[in-house]
This record gives sequence, structure tokens and C-alpha cells, in this order.
Amino acid sequence: TQLLEQSPQFLSIQEGENLTVYCNSSSVFSSLQWYRQEPGEGPVLLVTVVTGGEVKKLKRLTFQFGDARKDSSLHITAAQTGDTGLYLCAGMMDSSYKLIFGSGTRLLVRP
Amino acid sequence: DVKVTQSSRYLVKRTGEKVFLECVQDMDHENMFWYRQDPGLGLRLIYFSYDVKMKEKGDIPEGYSVSREKKERFSLILESASTNQTSMYLCASSLYWGGFGTQTNEKLFFGSGTQLSVL
Repeated sequence: TQLLEQSPQFLSIQEGENLTVYCNSSSVFSSLQWYRQEPGEGPVLLVTVVTGGEVKKLKRLTFQFGDARKDSSLHITAAQTGDTGLYLCAGMMDSSYKLIFGSGTRLLVRP
Repeated sequence: DVKVTQSSRYLVKRTGEKVFLECVQDMDHENMFWYRQDPGLGLRLIYFSYDVKMKEKGDIPEGYSVSREKKERFSLILESASTNQTSMYLCASSLYWGGFGTQTNEKLFFGSGTQLSVL
């Protein structure tokens, strides 16, 4: 059983559309990170959120950490083909020093 | 920027072979990690090391061992490769551990991965 569930697993959209990716858990995390992985490369950090209810914006990407620090979402406005990739959420639990990764959302943005 | 280099991009090995996956980082990070990545399962931690000659088991250490003789190098060893170890292996390093904040270097820096096929 995955501790961090991401949905949807796959998403194929047209350039210019908006989308939201979800990362959910029944566990509380002290911090949560979002990484993007492009084909043939390792994951690269997009953002870290540490406070319940926190919202961070990175250009067209908006990240939200749930009030209870159990879930997070990533919203992309006006998707571009360059947004194509695998999006991974990763949480750090208070009781552990291990970073736990979700199963990922594979996004394809079609021109 | 930090560079994490994995020695091989693709490897094909036979069942029962001893396999070495090498990883080198150039930023003097204390912490290094080995993950495997399988479709639908995300990244799973195999082993990590927080100092030279120090190692800790991750979530799936069975069938693997590691070596950290020098700070910059962390090796993953498959003593006797099996077909269920066919996977993408990712090495990572980090300056901090025990919790990430929002400073730009409080994160994992990943290599490009080694796709291992065991036949």
C-alpha cells in the first residue's frame, strides 16, 4: 500500500488547458516536496511546502499544502508542452528521516 | 550546481552476476541515497548513507548492499542479480537530512539514473 497516493496516474491534455494533480495520505508530514522528472533524467525539485494551508506559486504552477498537512495539490495554468513529465510528490514524516515518494502522475501536454 | 554522476546509463546483466552501480557527487554532501524506480510504484529507498562508512537500510534493502569508502562516492552492489531487480536505479545526494525547509539547497539532487536489465 502506497503511503502517498497520487491522482491521476496519467493525464493527457491539450496545450493551453488547466490541470490539477493531487497527492493524498492519511499520515501527517512535516514537509512536502514536488519534483518533476523528464525522460532520461532524475527528478528535479520544484517546491517545498512546510506550513499547513500554505500556497506557493512558481510562474504558472500553484502548490498547496493541506491544512492538516496530509495532502497537497499542484495546479498548472495554461499548460505548455514543456510541462510534460512525471510529477512526484514526496513527504517527510516527523517520526522518520526518510523521504517518502508518491507513485507519480505522468503528464503529457499535446501541442 | 551540484552534479551527481551515475557511471552507466544502461546496463544489461545475466541472472546471478555481481553488479556494481557507481555514483559520484561533487558538492561534499554528507548524505547519499540509492532509490529504485518502477512504474506505478514511485521511488523506493534501498539504502542511504549519512557519512563515510556509515549506512542505513531503506525500505527495500533485500538483495542489495552498499559501500561508501569516500565521501563523494556511493556504490550499490547486487551480489547475485535476479530478474526482479530489473529497474531504473537513481542515486541522490543531500547536504541536509532530518527534515527539509524552504532553502534552495534543502533537497535531494539526483543523478540521471541507470536502467538495469537482468536477463
